[in-house]
Amino acid sequence: AQKVTQAQTEISVVEKEDVTLDCVYETRDTTYYLFWYKQPPSGELVFLIRRNSFDEQNEISGRYSWNFQKSTSSFNFTITASQVVDSAVYFCALKTSYDKVIFGPGTSLSVIP
Amino acid sequence: GAVVSQHPSRVICKSGTSVKIECRSLDFQATTMFWYRQFPKQSLMLMATSNEGSKATYEQGVEKDKFLINHASLTLSTLTVTSAHPEDSSFYICSASRGGGATNEKLFFGSGTQLSVL
Repeated sequence: AQKVTQAQTEISVVEKEDVTLDCVYETRDTTYYLFWYKQPPSGELVFLIRRNSFDEQNEISGRYSWNFQKSTSSFNFTITASQVVDSAVYFCALKTSYDKVIFGPGTSLSVIP
Repeated sequence: GAVVSQHPSRVICKSGTSVKIECRSLDFQATTMFWYRQFPKQSLMLMATSNEGSKATYEQGVEKDKFLINHASLTLSTLTVTSAHPEDSSFYICSASRGGGATNEKLFFGSGTQLSVL
C-alpha cells in the first residue's frame, strides 16, 4: 500500500528562523516520484519540487532545500530564513507507477513576524 | 500562466440541485485527469481517475452515481455533483496528466472549486 505521513500537523516559527517539514512515505514500487506542494489560503496548489526514486541528490532552490533519503523513506523540506509569505499548508505527495498521486495530511506552517 | 483551468471557482447552490465543474487542460492533451476532494484543514483525497474515452475509475467509497465524471475530449473533464446536499460542500480540485509514467515532469492542478450547498 502507498502512504505518505507528515507527522507535524502545525508548526509555528518566528520570521527568519529555519524550519524543516518532515515527510515519510511507503511504497513497494521501485519507481516512484515524490512531490512537495504549497497551498496558500487561496487554495491553489503550487508545485515546489518533483524527485524520482532514482535520484537521491539533494536539491536547493533559493531558501528551499530538500533532503531525499531512500534508506529512511524520507523526503524532508527545509525553508531557510523563513518569511511571512511562507505561511501555508505544505503537502508531500507520492506518485506511483499507476499515475495516482497520494497526498500526505499536510503541515500547516505559520511564520510569525 | 495556468495550464489547467478549472471553473467555476466558487459555487453556492440549493440542496437537491446538480452542479457541474469543468477542468480543462489549456496547452496540452490530457489523457488522464484526476479529481480530488478536500475538506477544511484536511488533505486532498483522490475521488476518481478520469480517462478520455472510457469510464472513470472511482476510489473506494466514492459514489459513482453521485459524482458523475465525463472525459469527452483530451482537454476537458467534467465532474457533476448530482442532487447535492450540504455534506457535499467541499473544495474540489482537478489535476491533469500530460502523459503516463516517467514522462511527467509534474502534475498540473486547477485552482479548485469551493462548493457550498445550502
